[in-house]
Amino acid sequence: RKEVEQDPGPFNVPEGATVAFNCTYSNSASQSFFWYRQDCRKEPKLLMSVYSSGNEDGRFTAQLNRASQYISLLIRDSKLSDSATYLCVVTNQAGTALIFGKGTTLSVSS
Amino acid sequence: DTAVSQTPKYLVTQMGNDKSIKCEQNLGHDTMYWYKQDSKKFLKIMFSYNNKELIINETVPNRFSPKSPDKAHLNLHINSLELGDSAVYFCASSLNEADTQYFGPGTRLTVL
Repeated sequence: RKEVEQDPGPFNVPEGATVAFNCTYSNSASQSFFWYRQDCRKEPKLLMSVYSSGNEDGRFTAQLNRASQYISLLIRDSKLSDSATYLCVVTNQAGTALIFGKGTTLSVSS
Repeated sequence: DTAVSQTPKYLVTQMGNDKSIKCEQNLGHDTMYWYKQDSKKFLKIMFSYNNKELIINETVPNRFSPKSPDKAHLNLHINSLELGDSAVYFCASSLNEADTQYFGPGTRLTVL
Protein backbone atom coordinates (compact mmCIF):
# COMPACT_ATOMS: atom_id res chain seq x y z
CA ARG A 1 0.00 0.00 0.00
CA LYS A 2 1.36 3.41 -0.93
CA GLU A 3 2.08 5.76 1.95
CA VAL A 4 -0.39 8.38 0.75
CA GLU A 5 -2.96 7.58 -1.93
CA GLN A 6 -5.17 9.97 -3.81
CA ASP A 7 -7.40 9.70 -6.84
CA PRO A 8 -5.41 11.61 -9.48
CA GLY A 9 -8.53 12.82 -11.29
CA PRO A 10 -8.87 15.03 -13.17
CA PHE A 11 -12.04 16.33 -11.64
CA ASN A 12 -13.78 18.60 -14.13
CA VAL A 13 -16.54 20.68 -12.53
CA PRO A 14 -18.50 23.82 -13.42
CA GLU A 15 -18.22 27.00 -11.42
CA GLY A 16 -20.33 26.89 -8.30
CA ALA A 17 -20.11 23.12 -7.91
CA THR A 18 -19.16 21.33 -4.72
CA VAL A 19 -16.33 18.84 -5.06
CA ALA A 20 -14.72 16.45 -2.59
CA PHE A 21 -11.30 14.85 -2.63
CA ASN A 22 -10.29 11.84 -0.60
CA CYS A 23 -6.97 10.57 0.60
CA THR A 24 -5.85 7.50 2.51
CA TYR A 25 -2.59 7.03 4.36
CA SER A 26 -0.85 3.87 5.46
CA ASN A 27 1.03 4.91 8.61
CA SER A 28 -1.21 4.88 11.66
CA ALA A 29 1.54 6.72 13.59
CA SER A 30 1.23 9.85 11.44
CA GLN A 31 0.40 12.81 13.65
CA SER A 32 0.00 15.80 11.37
CA PHE A 33 -2.00 16.20 8.20
CA PHE A 34 -2.22 18.90 5.59
CA TRP A 35 -3.64 19.82 2.24
CA TYR A 36 -1.31 21.67 -0.10
CA ARG A 37 -2.21 23.24 -3.41
CA GLN A 38 0.06 23.29 -6.45
CA ASP A 39 -0.67 25.41 -9.50
CA CYS A 40 0.73 24.41 -12.88
CA ARG A 41 4.51 24.94 -12.99
CA LYS A 42 4.51 26.50 -9.52
CA GLU A 43 5.59 25.41 -6.07
CA PRO A 44 3.26 23.69 -3.59
CA LYS A 45 1.64 25.99 -1.04
CA LEU A 46 -0.13 25.15 2.17
CA LEU A 47 -3.90 25.27 1.77
CA MET A 48 -4.85 24.16 5.27
CA SER A 49 -3.90 21.89 8.12
CA VAL A 50 -6.28 19.08 9.00
CA TYR A 51 -7.35 18.65 12.61
CA SER A 52 -8.98 15.66 14.26
CA SER A 53 -12.20 17.55 14.88
CA GLY A 54 -12.39 18.73 11.29
CA ASN A 55 -11.86 22.33 10.30
CA GLU A 56 -13.17 24.89 7.88
CA ASP A 57 -11.57 27.82 6.11
CA GLY A 58 -14.06 29.74 4.03
CA ARG A 59 -15.25 27.49 1.23
CA PHE A 60 -12.83 24.71 2.22
CA THR A 61 -13.56 22.00 4.78
CA ALA A 62 -11.09 19.33 5.82
CA GLN A 63 -11.93 16.16 7.71
CA LEU A 64 -9.77 13.49 9.32
CA ASN A 65 -10.79 9.97 10.25
CA ARG A 66 -7.91 8.40 12.16
CA ALA A 67 -9.62 5.03 12.55
CA SER A 68 -9.97 4.65 8.79
CA GLN A 69 -6.76 6.58 8.05
CA TYR A 70 -8.68 8.81 5.71
CA ILE A 71 -8.56 12.53 4.99
CA SER A 72 -10.95 14.56 2.89
CA LEU A 73 -11.18 18.04 1.43
CA LEU A 74 -14.49 19.61 0.43
CA ILE A 75 -14.62 22.69 -1.76
CA ARG A 76 -17.94 24.51 -1.97
CA ASP A 77 -18.96 27.04 -4.61
CA SER A 78 -15.96 26.26 -6.83
CA LYS A 79 -14.24 29.18 -8.51
CA LEU A 80 -12.17 29.21 -11.68
CA SER A 81 -9.20 30.08 -9.51
CA ASP A 82 -9.57 26.81 -7.60
CA SER A 83 -8.20 24.95 -10.63
CA ALA A 84 -5.00 23.34 -9.39
CA THR A 85 -3.57 20.08 -8.07
CA TYR A 86 -4.40 19.33 -4.44
CA LEU A 87 -1.79 17.39 -2.50
CA CYS A 88 -2.64 15.32 0.56
CA VAL A 89 0.26 15.39 3.03
CA VAL A 90 0.99 13.42 6.21
CA THR A 91 3.97 13.21 8.53
CA ASN A 92 6.26 10.18 8.49
CA GLN A 93 6.48 7.77 11.40
CA ALA A 94 9.35 9.63 13.02
CA GLY A 95 7.55 12.93 12.64
CA THR A 96 10.60 14.35 10.88
CA ALA A 97 9.26 14.82 7.39
CA LEU A 98 6.17 15.26 5.26
CA ILE A 99 5.04 12.64 2.80
CA PHE A 100 3.16 13.93 -0.20
CA GLY A 101 0.49 12.17 -2.18
CA LYS A 102 0.64 12.41 -5.96
CA GLY A 103 -2.16 14.94 -5.97
CA THR A 104 -5.67 15.29 -7.34
CA THR A 105 -6.16 17.62 -10.27
CA LEU A 106 -9.18 19.92 -10.27
CA SER A 107 -10.34 21.87 -13.30
CA VAL A 108 -13.16 24.36 -12.79
CA SER A 109 -14.80 25.71 -15.93
CA SER A 110 -17.24 28.54 -16.61
CA ASP B 1 10.24 39.77 -0.07
CA THR B 2 10.97 36.23 -1.22
CA ALA B 3 10.80 33.80 1.67
CA VAL B 4 12.49 30.83 0.00
CA SER B 5 14.52 31.53 -3.10
CA GLN B 6 16.34 29.22 -5.47
CA THR B 7 18.80 29.81 -8.25
CA PRO B 8 18.83 29.15 -11.07
CA LYS B 9 15.19 28.84 -12.08
CA TYR B 10 16.08 26.92 -15.23
CA LEU B 11 19.13 24.76 -15.85
CA VAL B 12 19.85 23.00 -19.13
CA THR B 13 23.02 20.97 -19.29
CA GLN B 14 24.70 17.99 -20.91
CA MET B 15 25.01 14.51 -19.49
CA GLY B 16 28.11 14.05 -17.41
CA ASN B 17 28.34 17.65 -16.24
CA ASP B 18 28.41 18.77 -12.61
CA LYS B 19 25.96 21.46 -11.50
CA SER B 20 24.78 23.17 -8.32
CA ILE B 21 21.46 24.62 -7.25
CA LYS B 22 21.35 27.18 -4.46
CA CYS B 23 18.62 27.76 -1.91
CA GLU B 24 18.19 30.48 0.68
CA GLN B 25 15.42 31.17 3.18
CA ASN B 26 14.90 34.37 5.14
CA LEU B 27 12.22 32.99 7.46
CA GLY B 28 14.54 32.12 10.31
CA HIS B 29 13.59 28.44 10.00
CA ASP B 30 15.71 25.67 11.43
CA THR B 31 14.90 22.96 8.89
CA MET B 32 15.45 22.90 5.15
CA TYR B 33 14.65 20.30 2.53
CA TRP B 34 15.28 19.27 -1.05
CA TYR B 35 12.53 17.58 -3.05
CA LYS B 36 12.47 16.16 -6.56
CA GLN B 37 9.30 16.33 -8.66
CA ASP B 38 9.52 14.08 -11.68
CA SER B 39 7.58 14.12 -14.94
CA LYS B 40 4.73 12.25 -13.27
CA LYS B 41 4.46 15.13 -10.79
CA PHE B 42 5.33 12.96 -7.81
CA LEU B 43 7.00 15.08 -5.15
CA LYS B 44 9.56 13.10 -3.21
CA ILE B 45 11.87 14.18 -0.42
CA MET B 46 15.60 13.80 -1.02
CA PHE B 47 17.25 15.42 2.00
CA SER B 48 16.43 17.41 5.09
CA TYR B 49 18.74 19.42 7.31
CA ASN B 50 18.00 20.70 10.78
CA ASN B 51 20.34 23.38 12.05
CA LYS B 52 22.92 22.46 9.42
CA GLU B 53 22.81 18.77 10.35
CA LEU B 54 21.62 16.09 7.94
CA ILE B 55 18.40 14.50 9.24
CA ILE B 56 16.99 12.67 6.26
CA ASN B 57 18.87 11.17 3.38
CA GLU B 58 16.48 9.17 1.28
CA THR B 59 17.61 6.67 -1.29
CA VAL B 60 19.36 9.13 -3.51
CA PRO B 61 22.45 8.41 -5.62
CA ASN B 62 25.61 9.68 -3.97
CA ARG B 63 26.10 11.88 -7.03
CA PHE B 64 23.76 14.22 -5.13
CA SER B 65 25.45 16.04 -2.27
CA PRO B 66 23.70 18.66 -0.16
CA LYS B 67 25.68 21.31 1.64
CA SER B 68 24.43 23.62 4.35
CA PRO B 69 26.93 26.41 5.09
CA ASP B 70 24.49 27.94 7.58
CA LYS B 71 20.89 27.62 8.71
CA ALA B 72 19.60 29.89 5.97
CA HIS B 73 21.21 28.05 3.06
CA LEU B 74 20.98 24.54 1.65
CA ASN B 75 22.66 23.96 -1.66
CA LEU B 76 22.47 20.88 -3.84
CA HIS B 77 25.41 19.73 -5.91
CA ILE B 78 24.95 17.07 -8.55
CA ASN B 79 27.88 15.24 -10.14
CA SER B 80 27.91 13.37 -13.43
CA LEU B 81 24.39 14.36 -14.44
CA GLU B 82 22.22 11.69 -16.07
CA LEU B 83 19.13 11.92 -18.27
CA GLY B 84 17.00 10.62 -15.40
CA ASP B 85 17.98 13.57 -13.26
CA SER B 86 15.75 15.80 -15.38
CA ALA B 87 13.04 17.06 -13.04
CA VAL B 88 11.96 20.06 -11.03
CA TYR B 89 13.90 20.40 -7.77
CA PHE B 90 12.19 22.24 -4.94
CA CYS B 91 13.82 23.61 -1.85
CA ALA B 92 11.64 24.10 1.23
CA SER B 93 11.99 25.21 4.81
CA SER B 94 10.00 24.85 8.03
CA LEU B 95 10.29 26.16 11.55
CA ASN B 96 10.86 22.68 12.91
CA GLU B 97 10.81 19.19 11.44
CA ALA B 98 7.39 18.22 10.07
CA ASP B 99 5.96 21.73 10.53
CA THR B 100 4.33 23.58 7.66
CA GLN B 101 6.81 23.77 4.83
CA TYR B 102 7.35 26.77 2.60
CA PHE B 103 8.61 25.99 -0.86
CA GLY B 104 10.91 27.84 -3.20
CA PRO B 105 9.83 28.43 -6.81
CA GLY B 106 11.68 25.35 -8.07
CA THR B 107 14.59 24.74 -10.42
CA ARG B 108 13.68 23.03 -13.68
CA LEU B 109 16.66 20.86 -14.60
CA THR B 110 16.90 19.42 -18.09
CA VAL B 111 19.73 17.04 -18.89
CA LEU B 112 20.40 16.53 -22.60
